[in-house]
Amino acid sequence: DAGITQSPRHKVTETGTPVTLRCHQTENHRYMYWYRQDPGHGLRLIHYSYGVKDTDKGEVSDGYSVSRSKTEDFLLTLESATSSQTSVYFCATSRGLGYTFGSGTRLTVV
Amino acid sequence: AQSVSQHNHHVILSEAASLELGCNYSYGGTVNLFWYVQYPGQHLQLLLKYFSGDPLVKGIKGFEAEFIKSKFSFNLRKPSVQWSDTAEYFCAVREGYGGATNKLIFGTGTLLAVQP
Repeated sequence: DAGITQSPRHKVTETGTPVTLRCHQTENHRYMYWYRQDPGHGLRLIHYSYGVKDTDKGEVSDGYSVSRSKTEDFLLTLESATSSQTSVYFCATSRGLGYTFGSGTRLTVV
Repeated sequence: AQSVSQHNHHVILSEAASLELGCNYSYGGTVNLFWYVQYPGQHLQLLLKYFSGDPLVKGIKGFEAEFIKSKFSFNLRKPSVQWSDTAEYFCAVREGYGGATNKLIFGTGTLLAVQP
C-alpha cells in the first residue's frame, strides 16, 4: 500500500470551532481526495486535488475547504464545524488506475 | 454527473449461501469499475476491478464480478459465503481514462451479515 497517514485518528470538537484534518502521503501520487462516510450514504467526495495548488469541489463540499501546498500533504478544513459534519473522513490517493485509502479520521462535533 | 446505485442495502445470509450484490452505474462512456470491502472498524480494501477485456473478473477471497455493458451493471458474486465475509461492500466507478480528475464515485454500500 501507498503510505498514507491521516491525523488525527479521532477528534471531538465543539460546534462553531474550526477543524483541520491532515492527509500525508509518501508515494508521490498526483491525485488526492477527501471523502466522508456516513451510514446509508456510502463514501461521498468532498474535495479533490489533481496537483499542487490544484483543487476542486466534490459532491458535498459546502462547509469544507482544502489546501495542497506540496505533493505529500492535503489538508481538509471545516471552517466552523456543525453537528452534520460528524462523520468518518477518509483520504485517498491515486496514480493512474490504482487507489489507496487511509485509515480514516473519526470526527465528532458536539 | 455519473452515479452508482447499489439496491441491496442490507443482506443477511447463512454460511455457505451464495451471494450476489447488485451494482448499476449511470455513465454512458468508458468506465472502470471497482468493488471494495470494509470490514468492521477498518478502511477500504480492494476486492476486484475491471478495466477492459474479459468481463468476468476474479478478485480476492473467492469473489468475482461480471461487467454487463448493455445493462450498465457490475454485480458482485461469491458461490459460498463465510462468516468472515461479514462487512460492508462498495461498488465504485471511475470515468474511463480518468480525465483530469481521476475521480472515484461510490455507491451507498451494502451491509452483508453472514450468520454462522
